[in-house]
Amino acid sequence: DIQMTQSPSSLSASVGDNVTITCRASQISYNSLNWYQQKPGTAPKLLIYAASRLRSGVPSRFSGSASGADFTLTISSLQPEDFATYYCQQGYSSPYSFGQGTKLEIK
Amino acid sequence: QVQLQESGPGLVKSSETLSLTCTVSGGSISSSYWSWIRQPPGKALEWIGFVYNSANTNYNPSLKSRVTISADSSKNQLSLNLSSVTTADTAVYYCARGAILQFYFFFMDVWGKGTTVAVSS
Repeated sequence: DIQMTQSPSSLSASVGDNVTITCRASQISYNSLNWYQQKPGTAPKLLIYAASRLRSGVPSRFSGSASGADFTLTISSLQPEDFATYYCQQGYSSPYSFGQGTKLEIK
Repeated sequence: QVQLQESGPGLVKSSETLSLTCTVSGGSISSSYWSWIRQPPGKALEWIGFVYNSANTNYNPSLKSRVTISADSSKNQLSLNLSSVTTADTAVYYCARGAILQFYFFFMDVWGKGTTVAVSS
């Protein structure tokens, strides 16, 4: 099974900041990595799939990148609505595991 | 657009079977990969499994001995049965539509709102 290690577990930032969240896979997963945003009491929403493909309708301030087994979600110029918990998920092989989540809070 | 709605008992007794239904509207359950995912209180998401082509399934090995996911095309619904539950199965349960691109890119793009299930000891 592929294990996903996400860091940091929490992050404080201000509106307008640029932030980066990292996810590492325990084995190579060929860029099959997705990012989801979850706000309290609501279901996760897909932001990025296949490491860097922005889902239609998602603001362009969200971007993803990959380098080997390391994946990065970058949010440029944070907006108030971006404060949420973010999860990575590998989509390469079953079981399709998630990271532990990164809670992005307002500083 | 496609919408999903989970339903089922909010409380299940320990050792019994948890049964949930997800009703799909705006799309056919005969295509796509229909998943169940759960989230214990304050914890991360866990993929439970999916059904595709209405009859084929793929389960998380950690739950495989207790899980059955099925699809009913006539009702456009998918179901989740989780047997021999314990308090560790207390969670919000989500259904979601998934897709697999080029064999190795699986993602879930439409989610239901989730339903909370508590297991009482």
